[in-house]
Amino acid sequence: SDELTQPPSVSVSPGQTARITCSGDALPIQYAFWYRQKSGQAPVLLIYKDTERPSGIPERFSGSSSGTTVALAISGVQAEDEADYYCQSTDRSGDYVIFGGGTKLSVL
Amino acid sequence: EVQLVESGGGLVQPGGSLRLSCAASGFTFSNYLMMWVRQAPGKGLEWVANIKQDGGEKFSVDSVKGRFTISRDNAKNSLFLQMNSLRVEDTAVYYCARQLGRGADYWGHGTLVTVSS
Repeated sequence: SDELTQPPSVSVSPGQTARITCSGDALPIQYAFWYRQKSGQAPVLLIYKDTERPSGIPERFSGSSSGTTVALAISGVQAEDEADYYCQSTDRSGDYVIFGGGTKLSVL
Repeated sequence: EVQLVESGGGLVQPGGSLRLSCAASGFTFSNYLMMWVRQAPGKGLEWVANIKQDGGEKFSVDSVKGRFTISRDNAKNSLFLQMNSLRVEDTAVYYCARQLGRGADYWGHGTLVTVSS
């Protein structure tokens, strides 16, 4: 089945770069999207179509793609970046939306 | 400014029904695919269903097929989710979202559905 696999947690020190990966068999043929969700809030789109950044999202958020793995990088991590991060794509057909299990980013 | 405002959540007994609504404003609603996404307490995001611009094509996750129906009224800029035969495991915050390609660029704040006896 088409699933998206993320690490449950990632820890990073302030000022460093955090990298969150997402793996799935359909990723070579379907775009990935990344969202940040802070506690008690709705998700916010960070990256679309693997690497594109919506207006208003800082340049320190970037996306990359290689084969069956996509990644979100957050440079210059700040305490305010502590949140849950989700990747999202679709199955091979493109009709069914799939979310990764989410990654909790901790800023040490 | 794009706004999505969900309503209709609440407490319902197992086997009961609820109809969620999402009022859209700030964009041309009829030009966009729309989706519902839910999040059970302490869990991750789960896509529920989506619907194409004219309402002619709809897709949903297997766990809600035959129980939930997504629909829209483009004249009223509104998205709906009719939920029947509700189960305890349907308890979640339900978000309405506007699609950007196959992702979502704007989300509502969500409405809580609690299924419990």
